[in-house]
Amino acid sequence: NAGVTQTPKFQVLKTGQSMTLQCAQDMNHEYMSWYRQDPGMGLRLIHYSVGAGITDQGEVPNGYNVSRSTTEDFPLRLLSAAPSQTSVYFCASSYPGQDTQYFGPGTRLTVL
Amino acid sequence: AQSVTQLDSHVSVSEGTPVLLRCNYSSSYSPSLFWYVQHPNKGLQLLLKYTSAATLVKGINGFEAEFKKSETSFHLTKPSAHMSDAAEYFCVVSNDYKLSFGAGTTVTVRA
Repeated sequence: NAGVTQTPKFQVLKTGQSMTLQCAQDMNHEYMSWYRQDPGMGLRLIHYSVGAGITDQGEVPNGYNVSRSTTEDFPLRLLSAAPSQTSVYFCASSYPGQDTQYFGPGTRLTVL
Repeated sequence: AQSVTQLDSHVSVSEGTPVLLRCNYSSSYSPSLFWYVQHPNKGLQLLLKYTSAATLVKGINGFEAEFKKSETSFHLTKPSAHMSDAAEYFCVVSNDYKLSFGAGTTVTVRA
């Protein structure tokens, strides 16, 4: 198993540009989520999904969209990037009924 | 609502001495609690997990944590620090799959 994979590893955007951060898992996990990590703030939940076709907002959802068309994939979309979205983004997944989450390696995003 | 407070933003220890990282939590339910470690420019690795079984939880790399309900604490310890323990550590509480992270404690190990 590859586990949780994220692409790209690094990305630089200009203000106003759009992009999609990719997240995939091959463990048949129903639950997937996106977090952002900022210095001194730990990780904060952006959006999560409990299964294909079902998504919900987390603590800091503004400026981000998600969809879940398959169990394996959970992309995070930035429609109009802002400097405040400069961060490291982590995707995570878990089995139903288990709260241990497995994290991807992260995507470091810089918005100029 | 749930939240986590890590009482120290930075801890510095000498190699071979004990490490103590302090964590207090708040949760409306019986919580699941975790400690994760993040080495520089790396992802997060699960150290250990508490889920209402034994109150003393043993994890990887010699770490352990004790759950104290009366004190709402979940402190992480290691008897003897190694240079490879230099990293950032996060205390995490889980409710219904949603994780709440503490701000993190950076551990520095002096030779």
